[in-house]
Amino acid sequence: GAGVSQTPSNKVTEKGKYVELRCDPISGHTALYWYRQSLGQGPEFLIYFQGTGAADDSGLPNDRFFAVRPEGSVSTLKIQRTERGDSAVYLCASSLHQGSTEAFFGQGTRLTVV
Amino acid sequence: GEDVEQSLFLSVREGDSSVINCTYTDSSSTYLYWYKQEPGAGLQLLTYIFSNMDMKQDQRLTVLLNKKDKHLSLRIADTQTGDSAIYFCAETAKLQFGAGTQVVVTP
Repeated sequence: GAGVSQTPSNKVTEKGKYVELRCDPISGHTALYWYRQSLGQGPEFLIYFQGTGAADDSGLPNDRFFAVRPEGSVSTLKIQRTERGDSAVYLCASSLHQGSTEAFFGQGTRLTVV
Repeated sequence: GEDVEQSLFLSVREGDSSVINCTYTDSSSTYLYWYKQEPGAGLQLLTYIFSNMDMKQDQRLTVLLNKKDKHLSLRIADTQTGDSAIYFCAETAKLQFGAGTQVVVTP
């Protein structure tokens, strides 16, 4: 596809369950970013990848959160033992490389933990 | 503390100019960005400025950068109701965003 694709668009899960959120970046984009956006807040940086490696994961809130990008394209954000406070919209963005003039955002995955 | 700070709310009358301000802390940023988010929509890049520039004009948008004070502003001329949205500034180093300024345009 032409843009950044995130699946699923909505996910409802029970407290304590494990979830995976997927991001398909624009083809050829080497930099990929994950954010979390709560209602009324700006996107909160979680992690960014340059290629396959996590160049900066300082925004991951705790060890329940983990992200991978094994082939330098698709990325998966994994959340273990979900808590109600994890409910938010999870946004993914990609850019040609880190520091490019534009990062393109997906529509996000709305995660609701009940 | 916050790496990127913005005022939270701006109300402006249709046809007037809007000015949204932002301060940032990371002086290594190569670019600084303004993004727009409309209700229920994704983030859309509005404009950006190189860190070695102090002004950029793009149609109704003017970006001013004071690198010494790490202050960025976005001016929207002739503000329209379609400009009502949340505006975020962001810096390059790890694409860190401010909390956003909600702009409400009244007729």
